[in-house]
Amino acid sequence: SQELEQSPQSLIVQEGKNLTINCTSSKTLYGLYWYKQKYGEGLIFLMMLQKGGEEKSHEKITAKLDEKKQQSSLHITASQPSHAGIYLCGAAHYNNNDMRFGAGTRLTVKP
Amino acid sequence: DVKVTQSSRYLVKRTGEKVFLECVQDMDHENMFWYRQDPGLGLRLIYFSYDVKMKEKGDIPEGYSVSREKKERFSLILESASTNQTSMYLCASSSQGALGKNIQYFGAGTRLSVL
Repeated sequence: SQELEQSPQSLIVQEGKNLTINCTSSKTLYGLYWYKQKYGEGLIFLMMLQKGGEEKSHEKITAKLDEKKQQSSLHITASQPSHAGIYLCGAAHYNNNDMRFGAGTRLTVKP
Repeated sequence: DVKVTQSSRYLVKRTGEKVFLECVQDMDHENMFWYRQDPGLGLRLIYFSYDVKMKEKGDIPEGYSVSREKKERFSLILESASTNQTSMYLCASSSQGALGKNIQYFGAGTRLSVL
């Protein structure tokens, strides 16, 4: 099993709807990173969360970290076609070189 | 802006060929990484380097080697390409920092097909 589980694996929403993607770690988190990937391209860094309860926002995307649950959620408000892509979470567990990634959530936004 | 450049976006090679994937970063980062990405498996770490001439195995180093002769450049080598190495290869770099504060910046990826 993967150290980082993302859910759902894929998501199709109507433009304008809100959505949430979850990332759960089986190990202690020292840092949680969210990336976005457009199909066939590299990963674009979105946000980094370090402390329990921390919440960060970038435009209409908000991410929160629940340290006790070892879980992070990514919430998109009023989704747009430009939000479509694959969202991946990454986590540092033991050291900065031991970073692991979830399998990703593929988001489709229908106009 | 951090820039990580991978030499090729697409590569087609034949089984048994020696393949070089090049990655260059312009931010003077100490750490560099090579991942492969396959559907349903996410990103898997092949090798990483935390300094010039230093390398560490990741989760799936078999069939690969790496070279880091200069700080800005990290090369992934497939000694004898096989069809199961057909994949998307991603390079990343990061600075040395406190635990949990190391953002990795990625290149655009190289989609390798081995026929």
